[in-house]
Amino acid sequence: GAVVSQHPSWVICKSGTSVKIECRSLDFQATTMFWYRQFPKQSLMLMATSNEGSKATYEQGVEKDKFLINHASLTLSTLTVTSAHPEDSSFYICSASPGTGYRSNQPQHFGDGTRLSIL
Amino acid sequence: TQLLEQSPQFLSIQEGENLTVYCNSSSVFSSLQWYRQEPGEGPVLLVTVVTGGEVKKLKRLTFQFGDARKDSSLHITAAQPGDTGLYLCAGGRGANNLFFGTGTRLTVIP
Repeated sequence: GAVVSQHPSWVICKSGTSVKIECRSLDFQATTMFWYRQFPKQSLMLMATSNEGSKATYEQGVEKDKFLINHASLTLSTLTVTSAHPEDSSFYICSASPGTGYRSNQPQHFGDGTRLSIL
Repeated sequence: TQLLEQSPQFLSIQEGENLTVYCNSSSVFSSLQWYRQEPGEGPVLLVTVVTGGEVKKLKRLTFQFGDARKDSSLHITAAQPGDTGLYLCAGGRGANNLFFGTGTRLTVIP
């Protein structure tokens, strides 16, 4: 159980285009979803936290107008990289948790990531 | 910033050797998790430790949470090529809002 699916698994596109990445919880309702970015040979960096039905909370240094997050249902969150440029090329990973708030002990379940390459 | 420093950053050892990876922070965490990540995939949870001083074993892997809940270690006995991967510690309040460590890339040579 607790499967999180990300789509697409990889995408290559031209500079200036917008790219949407989907994150779905397949067998549980995800009250909270997280988006991470991972550059080659580096660790995961949290970009934003989203709770279903409310605005995402972005980490310091992450442009909210650049990385649009929508968490419209309890099983789906989307990350849209707007006007992508080569420096946005990275491995984007989502995770989902049935819990809310920092007191929750519900674990995060990770997707398999999306490799984004901007030419 | 709740920085989690892992050491070593890179480790290359021969099959059968033992190794220890460290995860240190100046912050206190209510729980700490260890993950292993394969290239092109998301991280996979290995263990969660929640009590200061707690020790958990998972086959050849031994995890310890520091008494002050600021640090943790992962010890692998008789490493095998299948242990190769990126090992990440992550701390947080509960299990949400995880802060990931800097990572340790392990290569086990047959």
